[in-house]
Amino acid sequence: EIVMTQSPATLSVSPGERATLSCRASQSVSSNLAWYQQKPGQAPRLLIYGASTRATGIPARFSGSGSGTEFTLTISSLQSEDFAVYYCQQYNNWPPVSTFGGGTKVEIK
Amino acid sequence: EVQLVQSGAEVKKPGESLRISCKGSGYSFTSYWISWVRQMPGKGLEWMGRIDPSDSYTNYSPSFQGHVTISADKSISTAYLQWSSLKASDTAMYYCARLAVAGGWFDPWGQGTLVTVSS
Repeated sequence: EIVMTQSPATLSVSPGERATLSCRASQSVSSNLAWYQQKPGQAPRLLIYGASTRATGIPARFSGSGSGTEFTLTISSLQSEDFAVYYCQQYNNWPPVSTFGGGTKVEIK
Repeated sequence: EVQLVQSGAEVKKPGESLRISCKGSGYSFTSYWISWVRQMPGKGLEWMGRIDPSDSYTNYSPSFQGHVTISADKSISTAYLQWSSLKASDTAMYYCARLAVAGGWFDPWGQGTLVTVSS
């Protein structure tokens, strides 16, 4: 099973600043990587798929990069609504198993 | 609008059985796989398994194989997640999510069903 590791666990950022979140795979997943945002009490929402393609309706301040085992989600200028938990997910060996990272909480500094 | 609407919260006792549901609308239900994802209190997301509603073919995560059953009724565009004997450790939020045709990402997600197992 491919293990996904996210860092840091918590990121403290001031509104307007840039946030950089990392996700590492235990083996190559090519570009088969998605990012999700989850706010308290809500279901996750797809942000990025294919490592760098924004989902429909996602603002341009969200961008994804990377391939192989190292991936990054960047939020260029944090807005108040961006404070949430972010998860990466690999789907390279789909089927049959997909795995998520442990999440990064982006909190207000 | 593509939507997945899940059944309501459940409170059960250990040893009881349970089936929760996920109804799709706004798209061809048999054209997209449905997955189930667990989120234990204060924890991250865990993929449980998926079903192809067109033929009910299933795949499970090794962590959940044998502990839950995923099924679907395409005539009413509904997928199910069921337990035959609940444990306290099954207490969690459960989400269904539609799998993209072109890849393995999930969009959209249902609103979640909270399952509480307590004596």
